[in-house]
Amino acid sequence: QSVLTQSPSASGTPGQRVTMSCSGSNSNIERNFVDWYQQVPGMAPKLLIYRDNQRPSGVPDRFSGSKSGTSASLAISGLRSVDEADYYCAAWDDSLGGVVFGGGTKLTVL
Amino acid sequence: EVQVLESGGGLVQPGGSRRLSCAPSGFTFANHAMTWVRQAPGKGLEWVSAISGNGGGTYYVDSVKGRFTISRDNSKNTLYLQMNSLSAEDTAVYYCARVAGESFYYYYHMDVWGQGTTVTVSS
Repeated sequence: QSVLTQSPSASGTPGQRVTMSCSGSNSNIERNFVDWYQQVPGMAPKLLIYRDNQRPSGVPDRFSGSKSGTSASLAISGLRSVDEADYYCAAWDDSLGGVVFGGGTKLTVL
Repeated sequence: EVQVLESGGGLVQPGGSRRLSCAPSGFTFANHAMTWVRQAPGKGLEWVSAISGNGGGTYYVDSVKGRFTISRDNSKNTLYLQMNSLSAEDTAVYYCARVAGESFYYYYHMDVWGQGTTVTVSS
């Protein structure tokens, strides 16, 4: 059972906008920054969003992050087949003294 | 090119030990905290351990405290993870990742990842 809760799956068709959520608590998401990672099957994870809504260089602006209270969201607009991957949220947890990941959301592009 | 490369994985018997290494390139190693993240077969990501840029701060997930030790040698540009008392639950791909800054607590997002090294604990 992950400390951060993500829906196991999401789907969309090319060109659509999809969102996925990450639910936590006041010891993690509410007080600390949320990061998002993308993992294509068989590959290493890749930093997608950091500090709630910042994009590393090279990440398209189709990807955006937001946070409100104890929940965070990742939105992908203009969905493409290459976006099919697992997406993980992560945050520092003050109670545990380390980083916690969500269980991941598997995105399928129909 | 900025990258990190893990090594040291393999088959280990239950109760055994293994040391993983991570070799960075393309950046000033001492300026970055480093971390290990693992992924059990078919499962999600689990943060395991981290160390600050100067080695003065170390962090562990509860499940490995007392069994795993993270360390670094900035003169040799190498990160280590010493794993003892291994069990089947430690079977996973272990990723080395660079943290965006010197302090893990302040900069905990991981911006450069290696391809991982596989540790299998089995008799």
